[in-house]
Amino acid sequence: NAGVTQTPKFQVLKTGQSMTLQCAQDMNHEYMSWYRQDPGMGLRLIHYSVGAGITDQGEVPNGYNVSRSTTEDFPLRLLSAAPSQTSVYFCASRGLAASNTGELFFGEGSRLTVL
Amino acid sequence: AQKVTQAQTEISVVEKEDVTLDCVYETRDTTYYLFWYKQPPSGELVFLIRRNSFDEQNEISGRYSWNFQKSTSSFNFTITASQVVDSAVYFCALIAMDSSYKLIFGSGTRLLVRP
Repeated sequence: NAGVTQTPKFQVLKTGQSMTLQCAQDMNHEYMSWYRQDPGMGLRLIHYSVGAGITDQGEVPNGYNVSRSTTEDFPLRLLSAAPSQTSVYFCASRGLAASNTGELFFGEGSRLTVL
Repeated sequence: AQKVTQAQTEISVVEKEDVTLDCVYETRDTTYYLFWYKQPPSGELVFLIRRNSFDEQNEISGRYSWNFQKSTSSFNFTITASQVVDSAVYFCALIAMDSSYKLIFGSGTRLLVRP
């Protein structure tokens, strides 16, 4: 039972480079999201999706793109990395059934450094 | 808009002391869930508890207990007889089911339990 899987776990980029953080879940969850964690700021929501083909912005969406072509996958793209995007990124998912109580299942995190 | 405030940035206690982590939340929605997550030094996010807005009963789980008070918009977390393994960052979080799919986190409280 894999749950939520993020890759890569570590990445170093140069300013201006692009990359994609991958996230996959095997729980058939409708909802998927990306957070970034910075010291003293907790976790802040970047983008989220409530189903295939549907995405929306969170608190800090600038500089990031997402797409949701399948229920299982929710990649996060950095088109032109900046040092301000150095952070730890978490992908999370949950079901949206009426019985669901909002608990998010998190991946293990991806540490990104932009030089 | 929703907001979660964890005013205690860092707490240091000696093993076996009791410690309470404060969480104050803001929301206009009537239906919401509150959560506590633990982030140990290894970095993963561990779910501890969820509480819905209609259930103000306090909960105890081993050395952990939670005090939910709607009158003060607080959801405090107490660890009794703390242990070194309790050292972690603890996050309080809120999701308002009426109007948002967004789980909003507080900035976290770092707990250090010294032997």
